[in-house]
Amino acid sequence: ETGVTQTPRHLVMGMTNKKSLKCEQHLGHNAMYWYKQSAKKPLELMFVYNFKEQTENNSVPSRFSPECPNSSHLFLHLHTLQPEDSALYLCASSQEGGRAREAFFGQGTRLTVV
Amino acid sequence: AQTVTQSQPEMSVQEAETVTLSCTYDTSESDYYLFWYKQPPSRQMILVIRQEAYKQQNATENRFSVNFQKAAKSFSLKISDSQLGDAAMYFCAYKVDRGSTLGRLYFGRGTQLTVWP
Repeated sequence: ETGVTQTPRHLVMGMTNKKSLKCEQHLGHNAMYWYKQSAKKPLELMFVYNFKEQTENNSVPSRFSPECPNSSHLFLHLHTLQPEDSALYLCASSQEGGRAREAFFGQGTRLTVV
Repeated sequence: AQTVTQSQPEMSVQEAETVTLSCTYDTSESDYYLFWYKQPPSRQMILVIRQEAYKQQNATENRFSVNFQKAAKSFSLKISDSQLGDAAMYFCAYKVDRGSTLGRLYFGRGTQLTVWP
């Protein structure tokens, strides 16, 4: 499944750096998501964009800043991260309001903060 | 609060045999969706099977089937004729389309499945 593409696949950044994760979906979906996957923890929803409007922010620290310029693209801007932010960041999309309810995921960005 | 519990951190199965992965969930909703996702070493989360709560019939997808017990809030995955390519982390997930939780998936901690040749 290549409907959701994430770049980069791997990212190493220092705590003072600024970087961005990119996600693009080619499925015509109307909702996009950022999830964080840490070792030994369930996947955590970070942000939801539905019809380009942010509808949920699960108390994510302000050092993570999402941007959704259109329904096909989603960014996660990172700045002054902490080592505990090292994780796999997964982007997903879904078509809300339709019969299909599943989310489609990208391959993730493995982030290491040093 | 919605929670999803997978009580088996690891499972193993012999190739061609059958294995069942367990999942329970907690919800006060009557209409929701349940999913099993597979995450191989490539890290991509792949949908294996889904079940709508309003449907009594258990979903099946080729070698994969579920045992959905709504009253017990149980949603187990059965993999028949296991193949080496089935080795992966399997996640059970729940979703309700209502209000502020629109589109949100709640995941269990996962079950790591090993398939022995």
